[in-house]
Amino acid sequence: GEDVEQSLFLSVREGDSSVINCTYTDSSSTYLYWYKQEPGAGLQLLTYIFSNMDMKQDQRLTVLLNKKDKHLSLRIADTQTGDSAIYFCAERRGSARQLTFGSGTQLTVLP
Amino acid sequence: DAGVIQSPRHEVTEMGQEVTLRCKPISGHNSLFWYRQTMMRGLELLIYFNNNVPIDDSGMPEDRFSAKMPNASFSTLKIQPSEPRDSAVYFCASSLHSGNTIYFGEGSWLTVV
Repeated sequence: GEDVEQSLFLSVREGDSSVINCTYTDSSSTYLYWYKQEPGAGLQLLTYIFSNMDMKQDQRLTVLLNKKDKHLSLRIADTQTGDSAIYFCAERRGSARQLTFGSGTQLTVLP
Repeated sequence: DAGVIQSPRHEVTEMGQEVTLRCKPISGHNSLFWYRQTMMRGLELLIYFNNNVPIDDSGMPEDRFSAKMPNASFSTLKIQPSEPRDSAVYFCASSLHSGNTIYFGEGSWLTVV
């Protein structure tokens, strides 16, 4: 199985909250990241969290980390049509520099 | 500040031709990464450099792929000869070795026909 797993699709209504989930398997993960990719564009770093934290908030974004269950989530409050994109979860393991990515979740915001 | 700069943004080439992708990392960053994105395999790390030295090239698919970093501000990824299965988006990313954030370029969209 994959090391970092995400559901492939999520649809929400404009103005609602979106919650994108991610699970990982490596207990040595030190940092966990969320990137956003719009069509035809590169990966934009949204936020990241250190593994000894359980929550991080940045404006409309809230990251929750359950290290025991190896579960990470990204909540987007008041979701807008401009939030429609693919969201990637990624982990950095131990002292490694590189990131291991999930398959991405396609978020569609309906009017 | 300029981000990670990649060129070309789009390339269409014929099978068997040589392809060279270029990357300029963010000034001051000393770690550089090449990733490949495909529908089937998602985002895969090909190689990463620290202080211009290749540290992990275990993701490089085969001998047709090579990467160099002759100085701190420039890297190339070369495919020779190219094959249709190399069609993908190739991303370059950079970071400070001591930092926690990795920034990606806009990608080079390669189509081999």
